[in-house]
Amino acid sequence: GAGVSQSPSNKVTEKGKDVELRCDPISGHTALYWYRQSLGQGLEFLIYFQGNSAPDKSGLPSDRFSAERTGGSVSTLTIQRTQQEDSAVYLCASSPRDREVQFFGPGTRLTVL
Amino acid sequence: QKEVEQNSGPLSVPEGAIASLNCTYSDRGSQSFFWYRQYSGKSPELIMFIYSNGDKEDGRFTAQLNKASQYVSLLIRDSQPSDSATYLCAVGSSNDYKLSFGAGTTVTVRA
Repeated sequence: GAGVSQSPSNKVTEKGKDVELRCDPISGHTALYWYRQSLGQGLEFLIYFQGNSAPDKSGLPSDRFSAERTGGSVSTLTIQRTQQEDSAVYLCASSPRDREVQFFGPGTRLTVL
Repeated sequence: QKEVEQNSGPLSVPEGAIASLNCTYSDRGSQSFFWYRQYSGKSPELIMFIYSNGDKEDGRFTAQLNKASQYVSLLIRDSQPSDSATYLCAVGSSNDYKLSFGAGTTVTVRA
């Protein structure tokens, strides 16, 4: 079946602009995670959605970052007033339930000029 | 102390040899453990998961877990050049749904 999909695959933007990244999880997966991976670095947890529960936003680095998940499926991560330090690969993952294996999408490479 | 620690490498092994990757974790109550492979420029791909103490084998890969020592390892037998990648150790939290990832070990298999 189809895996996790993300769009766009690459995004180049100017400092100060807003960007929106999209994640489409595996059908039937109730848990959805967003991570950030900077060049040569490990995975940094950003936010977690599980079903209709309130999301865990504890990993969001600033209030410029926000995310939503509509209908328990597709999620969008929005970064407002982008900064150069936001440049990274943003990865989305989903799992059938929490505490289970996570399957990653291909990521969105964000470059802020 | 980092939650999950791995040797960063690079770990260089000749083709056909065994590559041994180690991971230690700090959360004594963790119950789930995962190994992901990440090729350069790609996203992490699940290789194995292990929940119980002991060994778990899948093809050329063997995961080993020792909860008392808070240690999990991955062995790659008959290493191939295609195994050259960064291997991420991930550990499930004992009290929530998050995975903590190590920084990864870079493996290079020499032909």
